[in-house]
Amino acid sequence: KAGVTQTPRYLIKTRGQQVTLSCSPISGHRSVSWYQQTPGQGLQFLFEYFSETQRNKGNFPGRFSGRQFSNSRSEMNVSTLELGDSALYLCASSPPASTGELFFGEGSRLTVL
Amino acid sequence: AQSVTQLGSHVSVSEGALVLLRCNYSSSVPPYLFWYVQYPNQGLQLLLKYTSAATLVKGINGFEAEFKKSETSFHLTKPSAHMSDAAEYFCAVSDRNTDKLIFGTGTRLQVFP
Repeated sequence: KAGVTQTPRYLIKTRGQQVTLSCSPISGHRSVSWYQQTPGQGLQFLFEYFSETQRNKGNFPGRFSGRQFSNSRSEMNVSTLELGDSALYLCASSPPASTGELFFGEGSRLTVL
Repeated sequence: AQSVTQLGSHVSVSEGALVLLRCNYSSSVPPYLFWYVQYPNQGLQLLLKYTSAATLVKGINGFEAEFKKSETSFHLTKPSAHMSDAAEYFCAVSDRNTDKLIFGTGTRLQVFP
C-alpha cells in the first residue's frame, strides 16, 4: 500500500509569490491534515479536511488555505509569501474510525528568499 | 484542552545505554497518546500508541512506553540505544473533541559510539 505522497519535495520561492503544495493520502483514507514545522515553533496544525470539507483549522492567517478533492487528494496554498513561511510542510492522512493516529508524508520543504 | 510536555529538548546517550525520553500529558478525558520519530529530511513515523488497552505499549525498533495515569506520563524507553536511533522524537495526544493530534516540542536524541 502506497504511503502519503507529497509534491514537490523541495521548492524555493521569493517574497510575495504564492505556492501550492499537493498531498495524496493513503488509499481509503478520507481525512487529510496539514502541519507546518519550523525549528522555532515546532509542529503547528494548519487545517484538516474530511470529505472535501474543512473540519478543523489552526491559528494561521488567511494567506494559508487548502482544499480537498473528491478523490481525497488535498492541496494547500500560501499566498503573498513571507520569509517566515519557510518551513517543512507536512501532510498526514488518517483512516476511518481512527483513534487520532496520523500517517505522514515526507513533507515539502519551502524556502522563501 | 489537551496538551503534552516533553522534558528535555536534547538527550545524549552512549550506544548500548538506556534511552529514556519523557512526556507528560494534560487531558480532561482518558487520552490517546502517541510517540512519533522523525529522521532528518523525512516525515514523522509512528513508533507506538496508547489507546486505553494495555498500559505498557510496545512499538517498533525495540521502543516501548508506559502509560501512568497517576503521574500523567507516557515516557518512551529503549533498553539499549543504537546509532540508528539518533533522530527527533515527538510525543502527541489526540484531542477527543476534534480528533486533532497535539504535538510536544520534540526531543532530539543523540547516540554516541
